[in-house]
Amino acid sequence: GESVGLHLPTLSVQEGDNSIINCAYSNSASDYFIWYKQESGKGPQFIIDIRSNMDKRQGQRVTVLLNKTVKHLSLQIAATQPGDSAVYFCAENNAGNMLTFGGGTRLMVKP
Amino acid sequence: DTGVSQDPRHKITKRGQNVTFRCDPISEHNRLYWYRQTLGQGPEFLTYFQNEAQLEKSRLLSDRFSAERPKGSFSTLEIQRTEQGDSAMYLCASSLARPRQGNGYTFGSGTRLTVV
Repeated sequence: GESVGLHLPTLSVQEGDNSIINCAYSNSASDYFIWYKQESGKGPQFIIDIRSNMDKRQGQRVTVLLNKTVKHLSLQIAATQPGDSAVYFCAENNAGNMLTFGGGTRLMVKP
Repeated sequence: DTGVSQDPRHKITKRGQNVTFRCDPISEHNRLYWYRQTLGQGPEFLTYFQNEAQLEKSRLLSDRFSAERPKGSFSTLEIQRTEQGDSAMYLCASSLARPRQGNGYTFGSGTRLTVV
């Protein structure tokens, strides 16, 4: 199938290592953020979300960090696995009815 | 109900032709969204329905684009007089409420449109 994002920034990590994917968001009024994973030929899949009244939220093997001062969001994936290979997008919401997505990062996991 | 379904998965059309895509949301979701995604970019919002009412449209939705959700269930997105710049993945999503709970905002697998 056709790949999502042939010209995206790419992060290449060794299987088992931790991955950190960064995102700069644009709207200082945004108060809700989501990380999505998108595999080739599929729609975005929810990973984890965070509200602006929090700095950190943890899920299973994933952690999201929010720095509102510099409008920066990061996704940390622990013990990265080959199945984590995909394109990752951050999305922001500012109480409207739509999500605004960032440009995406391709994660490649080397076995 | 296995999620948001989109049909067709792929569509190749000649420039100038009209195309129509269908989205079947999760049955209990009253909100339905259309996004467009071009290669290398994140999805961009096009329009949103609550039940059968189209409540918001992006400036990306030109006059050649029209979306309907006649019975508040499935939705169609029609593009008239297609142009090569319309080539993209068209994604549908549905939710119960505004996107404040990410795991309740579900995307379909999209329709890949290629205009030749």
